[in-house]
Amino acid sequence: DTAVSQTPKYLVTQMGNDKSIKCEQNLGHDTMYWYKQDSKKFLKIMFSYNNKELIINETVPNRFSPKSPDKAHLNLHINSLELGDSAVYFCASSQLGGTGSEQYFGPGTRLTVT
Amino acid sequence: DQQVKQNSPSLSVQEGRISILNCDYTNSMFDYFLWYKKYPAEGPTFLISISSIKDKNEDGRFTVFLNKSAKHLSLHIVPSQPGDSAVYFCAARANNAGNMLTFGGGTRLMVKP
Repeated sequence: DTAVSQTPKYLVTQMGNDKSIKCEQNLGHDTMYWYKQDSKKFLKIMFSYNNKELIINETVPNRFSPKSPDKAHLNLHINSLELGDSAVYFCASSQLGGTGSEQYFGPGTRLTVT
Repeated sequence: DQQVKQNSPSLSVQEGRISILNCDYTNSMFDYFLWYKKYPAEGPTFLISISSIKDKNEDGRFTVFLNKSAKHLSLHIVPSQPGDSAVYFCAARANNAGNMLTFGGGTRLMVKP
């Protein structure tokens, strides 16, 4: 029973297109995140979101936007895709309270922009 | 500007011996540190963590040490097993940044049978 799932696992698209990546967690967590792992394998936070607050990493272009229809879902929309957006995108979730920092990650979505 | 650094991109250890993975940080606002393990084509998996008020945390074969004055932490795996072969990421949380984590670049551990 998958805790954090992402779809699709692979996404190949052309420059200029708009695409979405879906994320769902069944852990009952109240906070979800999106990370980008670039070609150098660095994992960088893009967004942190709960039902009260969206925190955006200031380096993220506004072509990227998170959309949360409910607590269990945080989808990532990307407009006007660029070559540099090619990366692996990871969704994660955690529960606030205590440290709240033990985040559980999805399997990743490999995005290739041609 | 990397606030969390793992200076060894790879480490090779014999099965049964100790693996020591190192991590340095620069941001004095970090108050919580975590280690994640990642297999190919999978997401990172939480391994162990430590609060800045402690200097050691142990969980089975895994122990994390924190030296705040040196802004350094390490993960010890004893004894190392072939199944431990993976990429290990160090991560840190700043007390003024919600639950957002800053990750190091990872160290690939290879445990040889």
